[in-house]
Amino acid sequence: DGGITQSPKYLFRKEGQNVTLSCEQNLNHDAMYWYRQDPGQGLRLIYYSQIVNDFQKGDIAEGYSVSREKKESFPLTVTSAQKNPTAFYLCASSVRDRVGEQYFGPGTRLTVT
Amino acid sequence: AQSVTQLDSHVSVSEGTPVLLRCNYSSSYSPSLFWYVQHPNKGLQLLLKYTSAATLVKGINGFEAEFKKSETSFHLTKPSAHMSDAAEYFCVVGSHGGGADGLTFGKGTHLIIQP
Repeated sequence: DGGITQSPKYLFRKEGQNVTLSCEQNLNHDAMYWYRQDPGQGLRLIYYSQIVNDFQKGDIAEGYSVSREKKESFPLTVTSAQKNPTAFYLCASSVRDRVGEQYFGPGTRLTVT
Repeated sequence: AQSVTQLDSHVSVSEGTPVLLRCNYSSSYSPSLFWYVQHPNKGLQLLLKYTSAATLVKGINGFEAEFKKSETSFHLTKPSAHMSDAAEYFCVVGSHGGGADGLTFGKGTHLIIQP
């Protein structure tokens, strides 16, 4: 089955700890994205990557970091500098020139206390 | 600059009755428009897209949307609601040739289906 996997589904961390969210796709898509979703806010873009070893900041990149060492993988690290890290995080991918047609993973719900 | 407004945060309909979810957009360019659906605690799934071809766009699960340039609208409709349609729906606007940072998501409309 082709698709995007995110793990874990639920993640709990103490304040001050960095945490890395996994995102893997086997759709052979060049482009990958990370979004944050808060209740009533819609989706906000954190980072995106259109090709291996390259990525760009989205609207709310502060406190987050990413890497794109392999086409299939785009992990997101939520650092201790992120002031309000508790949220639902969604990873997506697309063909590079069809940005609006994204395939989404099931999401990771991060709770930081 | 572009923006998208979903006019209702919640819509409640009875099963078997029509569904209308409203979306207005503003864009400096000829826009691409999309509707996505999100079931509880899941990722988003593309329902349909408008990219300057036919103004009436048909999508999956019996949904369709009509692009009306004069009204800057892209409302989502379905003739007869099913219980499985209960979900959050997002209207998205993008600029032609734009990158990922050119997409703007609406805040979502929660569709409730009454039995």
